[in-house]
Amino acid sequence: SQELEQSPQSLIVQEGKNLTINCTSSKTLYGLYWYKQKYGEGLIFLMMLQKGGEEKSHEKITAKLDEKKQQSSLHITASQPSHAGIYLCGAYLAGGTSYGKLTFGQGTILTVHP
Amino acid sequence: SAVISQKPSRDICQRGTSLTIQCQVDSQVTMMFWYRQQPGQSLTLIATANQGSEATYESGFVIDKFPISRPNLTFSTLTVSNLSPEDSSIYLCSVEGVKERLNEQFFGPGTRLTVL
Repeated sequence: SQELEQSPQSLIVQEGKNLTINCTSSKTLYGLYWYKQKYGEGLIFLMMLQKGGEEKSHEKITAKLDEKKQQSSLHITASQPSHAGIYLCGAYLAGGTSYGKLTFGQGTILTVHP
Repeated sequence: SAVISQKPSRDICQRGTSLTIQCQVDSQVTMMFWYRQQPGQSLTLIATANQGSEATYESGFVIDKFPISRPNLTFSTLTVSNLSPEDSSIYLCSVEGVKERLNEQFFGPGTRLTVL
């Protein structure tokens, strides 16, 4: 099974709707990243969370880290077609053998219909 | 954040040949990494590119197949050798240790490789 599980795997919403993507780890987290990827392209950094309870926002995107639950959520308010893409969570996990090694979830494909 | 460029952005190669991918950062960074993203999959770390010494490879990746260079703090190359169709992937470099954003890891635009 994946060390980082994202849910849902895909999401289709109507423009203007709110949505949440979750990322759950099977191991202790030491830092969690959220990235956005357009198909076939590189990763766009959204935000990094390091401390339990930490919450960050960028424009209409908010991410929270629940360290005890080993979980992070990404919330988009009033979604727009420009939000469409693949959202990936990546994390430094306990027991990692390499400094800087990020373990990634499988991604959530977001489609926003106008 | 750092501006990261990769060359080429995409390539189509024949089986048995090699492809060298370049990663250039606009500022000095502490760490540089190479990831692979196979079709429909998430990212997997190939290796950490160490400046002035041999790269550190993850389990399942070896130097003969993925030789890496990092001659300075802003540049690295990844070569994918003896290509087979299974090597068709997006290859991404990432960096960490950007001034004022030390703990954050940023990714380049990726190189899409197709092996025929």
